[in-house]
Amino acid sequence: QVQLVESGGGLVRPGGSLRLSCAASGFSFSDYYMMWIRQAPGRGLEWVSYISDGSDYTNYADSVKGRFTISRDNAKTSLYLEMHSLRVEDTAVYFCARAGRYPASALIYWGQGTPVTVSS
Amino acid sequence: NFILTQPHSVSESLGKTVTISCTRSGDSIASKYVQWYRQRPGSAPTTLIYEHDERPSGVPDRFSASIDTSSNSASLTISGLETEDEADYYCHSYDNMNHGIFGGGTRLTVL
Repeated sequence: QVQLVESGGGLVRPGGSLRLSCAASGFSFSDYYMMWIRQAPGRGLEWVSYISDGSDYTNYADSVKGRFTISRDNAKTSLYLEMHSLRVEDTAVYFCARAGRYPASALIYWGQGTPVTVSS
Repeated sequence: NFILTQPHSVSESLGKTVTISCTRSGDSIASKYVQWYRQRPGSAPTTLIYEHDERPSGVPDRFSASIDTSSNSASLTISGLETEDEADYYCHSYDNMNHGIFGGGTRLTVL
């Protein structure tokens, strides 16, 4: 069955960096768009970024553009989120999700999330 | 740009039917597909509906959805309410730049 397992979250100081990973299995990873979504404590869901199946297209929320970079390694069936210049407001649980085969597609499968805390 | 507006909370009795709305402001509800996700406390979201009204395999037909272009809104209907349906429900779509947008979420209480 489809499995998405995030890792790499933790405590980081404002201005710091962190790299999240998402290990995927149970489907043909290279055929699908992948996305990151986050949820601040006690808040709703916020879309962060997506990447196309072949890494040709990426897209970012305005709140993270220029600071976060999404990437993937289809050979390793893994998704990544490189986060720089982190702010307190980036504190959230970060979920990876498998989308469809086109941009603006549904998030069909979700990981369990990895928590990121930005605090001094 | 646009936003998706959901009621903060709804409540209904066990076994009854409840509908959660999601109103799109800024452009047409039909311009991009709408999805619905359920999130139980302490858990990751799961997908209930995709592409306006399609159910992923394994989602029971108690869950249905539709869009109404006259009110520019989408609706999720849950029939035969069960205690396990108590959760937060989110609608989701995209803008014309393909940026994802979520509604603020609706807390469902089953009485």
